[in-house]
Amino acid sequence: QKEVEQNSGPLSVPEGAIASLNCTYSDRVSQSFFWYRQYSGKSPELIMSIYSNGDKEDGRFTAQLNKASQYVSLLIRDSQPSDSATYLCAVTSYNTDKLIFGTGTRLQVFP
Amino acid sequence: DGGITQSPKYLFRKEGQNVTLSCEQNLNHDAMYWYRQDPGQGLRLIYYSQIVNDFQKGDIAEGYSVSREKKESFPLTVTSAQKNPTAFYLCASSPSRTANSPLHFGNGTRLTVT
Repeated sequence: QKEVEQNSGPLSVPEGAIASLNCTYSDRVSQSFFWYRQYSGKSPELIMSIYSNGDKEDGRFTAQLNKASQYVSLLIRDSQPSDSATYLCAVTSYNTDKLIFGTGTRLQVFP
Repeated sequence: DGGITQSPKYLFRKEGQNVTLSCEQNLNHDAMYWYRQDPGQGLRLIYYSQIVNDFQKGDIAEGYSVSREKKESFPLTVTSAQKNPTAFYLCASSPSRTANSPLHFGNGTRLTVT
């Protein structure tokens, strides 16, 4: 089992819809969770960080964390074509003190 | 204007040559990291350094070497021992010595070895 798993996609949504991106992780003592957006050929940029169970909202983005079920998700409301990118989930744990990345989900928002 | 600078953006080398990728940050961050990304893959950790004059191997350190003589600089050398060096290399830094703070990434160096 991979440490951090994401569906590779592509996830295709129409403009204005809600895009839902999911990530599961294997280490039960994981403590910090991050979502990065990566445009093709570019470096990742931080979208959201979340550290405790529940929802965290920032503009059109909402991160959701459920430690009991070991998943973290990212919702993008009112999706725009400019949101088309690969979204990387990253997780750290007490045990390794390293940031582990998933392989990313490619999102396509069509007009 | 603070940030992380990686150079060059593109690098071409012949097989069997060592090559050094530059990474400089002016964010006063303690920790610095090198990741490798292959097409359709996530980021894999090569080396990291939490303090000057100290560094640790990541998950795929074989064929690579680093140094951390200054807080601002963390160069990565890709040696001829690295079997598949062609990849997108990303340098990152963090204000925290642990992995609980978000990473700030440079713009990357795309290395092609033929």
